[in-house]
Amino acid sequence: AQKITQTQPGMFVQEKEAVTLDCTYDTSDPSYGLFWYKQPSSGEMIFLIYQGSYDQQNATEGRYSLNFQKARKSANLVISASQLGDSAMYFCAMREGWDTGNQFYFGTGTSLTVIP
Amino acid sequence: DARVTQTPRHKVTEMGQEVTMRCQPILGHNTVFWYRQTMMQGLELLAYFRNRAPLDDSGMPKDRFSAEMPDATLATLKIQPSEPRDSAVYFCASGLGSLVMNNEQFFGPGTRLTVL
Repeated sequence: AQKITQTQPGMFVQEKEAVTLDCTYDTSDPSYGLFWYKQPSSGEMIFLIYQGSYDQQNATEGRYSLNFQKARKSANLVISASQLGDSAMYFCAMREGWDTGNQFYFGTGTSLTVIP
Repeated sequence: DARVTQTPRHKVTEMGQEVTMRCQPILGHNTVFWYRQTMMQGLELLAYFRNRAPLDDSGMPKDRFSAEMPDATLATLKIQPSEPRDSAVYFCASGLGSLVMNNEQFFGPGTRLTVL
C-alpha cells in the first residue's frame, strides 16, 4: 500500500483565493511526522510545514496551514490568499518513528497553478 | 547560510559513460539521502546513509549504481555504465538524525542528468 497518497495531479486557483491540497497517509506507527514541500519550476525542493502525530493543534506557517485529521489519516495543506508565486508542485511526505534519520515517503505531488 | 550543495548541476553524457555526482551535506548533518526524480516515477529514494554507513540502498539498480560517503562532507553517486533511462534529476538531501521529530530534510539543487 502507498504510504502517501496525493489524489490531485493538478489544481487551479484564482489569485487571492484559498486552496486545499489533499494528502492521505498510511502507517501503523503511532509516532510519525508529516511534511509538505514546494517545488517551483526552478526545481529546488523547499520545506513548507511540519505536523507531528502527537501535535494537538494544526500547524501554521504564514499563509500555509495543515489541516490534520488524525482519525482520517489526512494532512491537507491549505494555502490562503494564493499568489502567482505559489504556482509549483507540492509534495506531501511522511517519516515514521521518532528517529529523524529515518527515510521520508513522498507522494506523487500536486501541480498547482495560480490564475491571475 | 547553510545549504546542501551538489555538483555538477547539469550533465550531458553518452550512453556507456561513467557519471559521478557529488553532494556536500550541511555541516553537522549525519544523514544523507539520494533521490531520483522523473516525470513517470516521481521522487524515488535510491539510497541513504547515517553516520556515513549505508542504511538502505534497495532503491538503486545494483549492477550499475553505487553510492558512497568517503567522509562526512562528501557523498557520491556513481552510474557505470550510464543508460538513456537514467536521465533524471538526482537530488541529495541531508538531515540531522535525532529524536527531535520536526527535523526536516534539506534538499540540494539537484543534478540534471541527460544520457544520450
